[in-house]
Amino acid sequence: KAGVTQTPRYLIKTRGQQVTLSCSPISGHRSVSWYQQTPGQGLQFLFEYFSETQRNKGNFPGRFSGRQFSNSRSEMNVSTLELGDSALYLCASSWAGGQPQHFGDGTRLSIL
Amino acid sequence: GIQVEQSPPDLILQEGANSTLRCNFSDSVNNLQWFHQNPWGQLINLFYIPSGTKQNGRLSATTVATERYSLLYISSSQTTDSGVYFCAVGKGTSGSRLTFGEGTQLTVNP
Repeated sequence: KAGVTQTPRYLIKTRGQQVTLSCSPISGHRSVSWYQQTPGQGLQFLFEYFSETQRNKGNFPGRFSGRQFSNSRSEMNVSTLELGDSALYLCASSWAGGQPQHFGDGTRLSIL
Repeated sequence: GIQVEQSPPDLILQEGANSTLRCNFSDSVNNLQWFHQNPWGQLINLFYIPSGTKQNGRLSATTVATERYSLLYISSSQTTDSGVYFCAVGKGTSGSRLTFGEGTQLTVNP
């Protein structure tokens, strides 16, 4: 059974640009969550999607957005990139909320 | 929100030694997971353990939900156990919204 797949693995952008990250969950999982990991703030919850609806949202500015498609795949978009957005972005999937979450290998985003 | 505290923050062991990592949390939870993050950044799910005890090879975990803590035991440690161990909790209908502790950095020397 394939795990959670995130693309791309690495990304370099400049300030002011926008970026879209993709996450394909484990087959049958309907919940997809996104997390940001930085050395200073640790692992922080961004948002969760379930059946194409945003169910939970963390404390991030509106520049961070996401969506989920009917096949449960999810995308995360960050607009007007700032240097502080440099981070490892991790996606996790689970069958439903509260169940064990399984993480992808992450996308490492660097902002120049 | 829920507060999660992990101890110790750093741990250095010789290969073959045993260790116990602790996670304290500030509220009742219905989701508690232990993860191992390897040097490449991969976050590996070790245990889903909102209560009770589980064992998987050299690793075991115990969560005492009424006292709001969880313990991760590593026996006969190996160099490949090195990395950061995270405890993460979730509650209520937002059980999928995990709050992570700051982690325990484990270094196992040969």
